[in-house]
Amino acid sequence: DVKVTQSSRYLVKRTGEKVFLECVQDMDHENMFWYRQDPGLGLRLIYFSYDVKMKEKGDIPEGYSVSREKKERFSLILESASTNQTSMYLCASSPIGQGITYEQYFGPGTRLTVT
Amino acid sequence: QKEVEQNSGPLSVPEGAIASLNCTYSDRGSQSFFWYRQYSGKSPELIMSIYSNGDKEDGRFTAQLNKASQYVSLLIRDSQPSDSATYLCAVRGPAGTYKYIFGTGTRLKVLA
Repeated sequence: DVKVTQSSRYLVKRTGEKVFLECVQDMDHENMFWYRQDPGLGLRLIYFSYDVKMKEKGDIPEGYSVSREKKERFSLILESASTNQTSMYLCASSPIGQGITYEQYFGPGTRLTVT
Repeated sequence: QKEVEQNSGPLSVPEGAIASLNCTYSDRGSQSFFWYRQYSGKSPELIMSIYSNGDKEDGRFTAQLNKASQYVSLLIRDSQPSDSATYLCAVRGPAGTYKYIFGTGTRLKVLA
């Protein structure tokens, strides 16, 4: 079974704090993704990574950065948390083979509240 | 026009009936299509993937793809109250792209 784990299920932080969300997958997947999910807006891609140290901006990268130093680990960093970053954060991973990307598998999510 | 469109619902069906969930997408070059189930407060769980035109069956679930009409659907046979959830349609673009585009989901309620 594919397993994607996230460091916290619930997190409460104060405005201005630096926040680290970590994601680990155990299936040797090349691709990893960070999304946020908000009611009525669906899943929005923040960043993705297709290899170690490689990253691409998604649709809403402002206020976020990422790090991928090892294949299995992909971290999302909120440089200075703001209340509009209160959301559910979802990490996902997927394999890649012969130019076709396969299914994404999601972690359990981190519900972040910024006060 | 949204890239991936789904009716938000709720779609209410009686227990034992067939639930039909629909999704349309705008990019004709899209190659891969996925259905996820998401319970309230939980993360999306993959139900099915489909890559070529036609039907694909897995247990009570059938995914249908029509690339000419840019349409993908999910049928749930013998619907159970435990199927009550939001169903997300996801589409991956042409080869060489990494992005998945998600619809906002259809909420399904199966009435006992």
